[in-house]
Amino acid sequence: DAGITQSPRHKVTETGTPVTLRCHQTENHRYMYWYRQDPGHGLRLIHYSYGVKDTDKGEVSDGYSVSRSKTEDFLLTLESATSSQTSVYFCAIKRGPEIRNTQYFGPGTRLTVL
Amino acid sequence: AQSVTQLDSQVPVFEEAPVELRCNYSSSVSVYLFWYVQYPNQGLQLLLKYLSGSTLVKGINGFEAEFNKSQTSFHLRKPSVHISDTAEYFCAVSDLEGGGADGLTFGKGTHLIIQP
Repeated sequence: DAGITQSPRHKVTETGTPVTLRCHQTENHRYMYWYRQDPGHGLRLIHYSYGVKDTDKGEVSDGYSVSRSKTEDFLLTLESATSSQTSVYFCAIKRGPEIRNTQYFGPGTRLTVL
Repeated sequence: AQSVTQLDSQVPVFEEAPVELRCNYSSSVSVYLFWYVQYPNQGLQLLLKYLSGSTLVKGINGFEAEFNKSQTSFHLRKPSVHISDTAEYFCAVSDLEGGGADGLTFGKGTHLIIQP
């Protein structure tokens, strides 16, 4: 158990609506990550954060924004959801000494955009 | 930039037989390597990791992997599989540039199917 919760766990929404997914950690880790998982693609990095208010883009960041106003919470927002954003979203934290990038994952959020 | 290739999308194996799941990576710098397992409708669980030192690493549930720098491979093995090993297995890499803060690059996954 990596002390990570994600909410909601499941969500169905319609094209064009805004959606925010929340990742919450209880262990005060500096680094947090958002990935999406799609069949045939494995997991791909959307955004990551290396501290409060410090974020950077990953491989598939188009259409997504993130915010981190507190160490424990990392929010992923889809400003206007599209059907191509139907996916399972995983949050992760990096645990361990700074340069040893061992990541632990939350339980995931299944998002369906109709 | 790095990439990961998992050569088999699906591997069927009989129960109690050995298994090897193959992973090759591409990177111009030194890397850390990981294997994760995902059981149906669950998140990813870390199986094992190579950070430095011995090239043979042991993980949970009887799995082990060997880092081969010359072949840029990190194959996962288990000498005798059980029905409970049925899952999706992901190989992932992280390079040492940027202090290792960047995200992981994942392969597309290998579905291990254990047949009774």
